[in-house]
Amino acid sequence: QQQVKQSPQSLIVQKGGIPIINCAYENTAFDYFPWYQQFPGKGPALLIAIRPDVSEKKEGRFTISFNKSAKQFSLHIMDSQPGDSATYFCAAETSGSRLTFGEGTQLTVNP
Amino acid sequence: DAGITQSPRHKVTETGTPVTLRCHQTENHRYMYWYRQDPGHGLRLIHYSYGVKDTDKGEVSDGYSVSRSKTEDFLLTLESATSSQTSVYFCAISWAEGRSYEQYFGPGTRLTVT
Repeated sequence: QQQVKQSPQSLIVQKGGIPIINCAYENTAFDYFPWYQQFPGKGPALLIAIRPDVSEKKEGRFTISFNKSAKQFSLHIMDSQPGDSATYFCAAETSGSRLTFGEGTQLTVNP
Repeated sequence: DAGITQSPRHKVTETGTPVTLRCHQTENHRYMYWYRQDPGHGLRLIHYSYGVKDTDKGEVSDGYSVSRSKTEDFLLTLESATSSQTSVYFCAISWAEGRSYEQYFGPGTRLTVT
């Protein structure tokens, strides 16, 4: 049972575009909402994370927007570059120190 | 890489054979996790450990067992491998309660069950 739903499955943008990846959750007990980035042949790596009492967080070109009432959060990548091409996973931290991941979005940024 | 290694990195095995995957960390982190990654499913938690000999099941634990006899090693065993267990397996660590959203992943093991 997938508790975090992620969309789209894949996304293609041109260099400089702003890809947006969306996630929705049901469990209001989630404590933290991280995003992970994964390059082919590598393990995922933490990109940015947000608490549910914050509506937006920016780190460099990456921004998380959080809508607690709608139980949705999204990742925006400003001025996207070909090097941002990767698979992105949203996740939610549950009690007991566990993460539940979304299905993943494969992002391609064309030059 | 947070000092995480996985072995083997690739393995091909036959249905019905036992398989053990090893995760080794060098930094004394308390929490260790085993995930499997499959297209369309993201990463799904198999088992995790919160200390030596302290383990718990994740969402897809059927057919898998784990052991942690030392802080640095977390073993995942498939007692009798099936084709549905063909996947990429990732080990991860986190170092403290309150920051378990921050997990560091190993390089993965690609397992094929024929």
